[in-house]
Amino acid sequence: RKEVEQDPGPFNVPEGATVAFNCTYSNSASQSFFWYRQDCRKEPKLLMSVYSSGNEDGRFTAQLNRASQYISLLIRDSKLSDSATYLCVVNWDSGTYKYIFGTGTRLKVLA
Amino acid sequence: DAGVTQSPTHLIKTRGQHVTLRCSPISGHKSVSWYQQVLGQGPQFIFQYYEKEERGRGNFPDRFSARQFPNYSSELNVNALLLGDSALYLCASSLGSQKDIQYFGAGTRLSVL
Repeated sequence: RKEVEQDPGPFNVPEGATVAFNCTYSNSASQSFFWYRQDCRKEPKLLMSVYSSGNEDGRFTAQLNRASQYISLLIRDSKLSDSATYLCVVNWDSGTYKYIFGTGTRLKVLA
Repeated sequence: DAGVTQSPTHLIKTRGQHVTLRCSPISGHKSVSWYQQVLGQGPQFIFQYYEKEERGRGNFPDRFSARQFPNYSSELNVNALLLGDSALYLCASSLGSQKDIQYFGAGTRLSVL
C-alpha cells in the first residue's frame, strides 16, 4: 500500500459544480495534514491545513477522518481558476520530520 | 518580504557529473526541506535540515547529500548524475516544528542528458 494515495484524475467538472477529493494515508501515527495546490510547472502552494474538527475557508472545506485514515477536500461553486493539481500532504509521524505527498489529483473546471 | 529563493532555475548536466542546488529560506525560518518532483508525480521528500542538523531523510541513495549553513540557507548536492535524476527540485522552508506550514520556492529544473 502506498504511504499516501490519491486518485490522479483528471476530474473534469463544469463551472459552479461541487467536487470532492479524498486522500488515504497508511500511517496511523501521522499528526499533521495539509492540502496544497500546484499549477502547471509551478511550485506547490498551501491551500489549507486540515484539523481534526474539520475546517472551512470560503468555498473550500477540509475534513480529517482518523479512524479510516483519510482526508478530504470539498470545493463548492467551482471556478475556472480552480483548475490545478491538488496535493495531499501528510507529516509521517510524530518522531520524524518527513512529509509525504500524494501524487496529486488533477482538476479541470470547464466553462 | 522575499519568499524562498532557489538557484539556478534551470540546469543541464550530463551523466556522471555533479550538481549543487541552492536555497535561501524565508527570513526567520530555520528549517529547510528538499524534494524531488518528477513529471506526473507528487514531490518526494529527500531531506530536512533544522539549525544545521539533518532531521529527516527520505529514501534516496547516498549520491544525494545536503547541508545547512549558519544563515539557514542550504545546498543540495547530487553526485554521479543519472538520467533518472532529471526532475524539478523543490526547496521548502518553515519555522521548524512539525505542524508548521512549508513554503516552497519555484524550484530548480534539472535535466540530465
